[in-house]
Amino acid sequence: DAEITQSPRHKITETGRQVTLACHQTWNHNNMFWYRQDLGHGLRLIHYSYGVQDTNKGEVSDGYSVSRSNTEDLPLTLESAASSQTSVYFCASSEVGGRGSTGELFFGEGSRLTVL
Amino acid sequence: EDQVTQSPEALRLQEGESSSLNCSYTVSGLRGLFWYRQDPGKGPEFLFTLYSAGEEKEKERLKATLTKKESFLHITAPKPEDSATYLCAVPGKLKAAGNKLTFGGGTRVLVKP
Repeated sequence: DAEITQSPRHKITETGRQVTLACHQTWNHNNMFWYRQDLGHGLRLIHYSYGVQDTNKGEVSDGYSVSRSNTEDLPLTLESAASSQTSVYFCASSEVGGRGSTGELFFGEGSRLTVL
Repeated sequence: EDQVTQSPEALRLQEGESSSLNCSYTVSGLRGLFWYRQDPGKGPEFLFTLYSAGEEKEKERLKATLTKKESFLHITAPKPEDSATYLCAVPGKLKAAGNKLTFGGGTRVLVKP
């Protein structure tokens, strides 16, 4: 079955370190997204991509970067981790919109990141 | 800027006690509204998409409705397995399907036996 997987599921790091969270989907979806989820803020969009070599900033992109070198993967990099980036991170993917498409986003299980 | 507000933040129900969750939105033009369910430690799972005022969708004990300003998720005769956080979201401007979503804060529902 097609799926979307995130790794690692849990990570503890120190302030200032570079961290990369992996996201891999096997649906061949063009659209991929990274969200963070925090109490009191809900899900907030960090970065998104509508295809290979395409990346776009979301509402909370400062301190994060992504790259899209193939259809299946959208890694999220924290260049210099900060305590404010302690959160649960969700990757999602969706097919290109069109007649008959529900616009559904398929989410991974999440990566819990703690920055000490 | 699109805004989505959900109420209440939390809801405690007895098994069988029906209730409704509210999702109000402010968008420049309605391009659809999505409902998701999220269990603890899991990613959100798609429930419904509604595209026009007056539209209704049903799934088991859940029924979603849409007006021009808000959407309701009605839970009829809930069971403990309906306990979850329910999220609503609206898509961005470019296209409704497959586009980035702006989420509300969610409603945590606890159904006690």
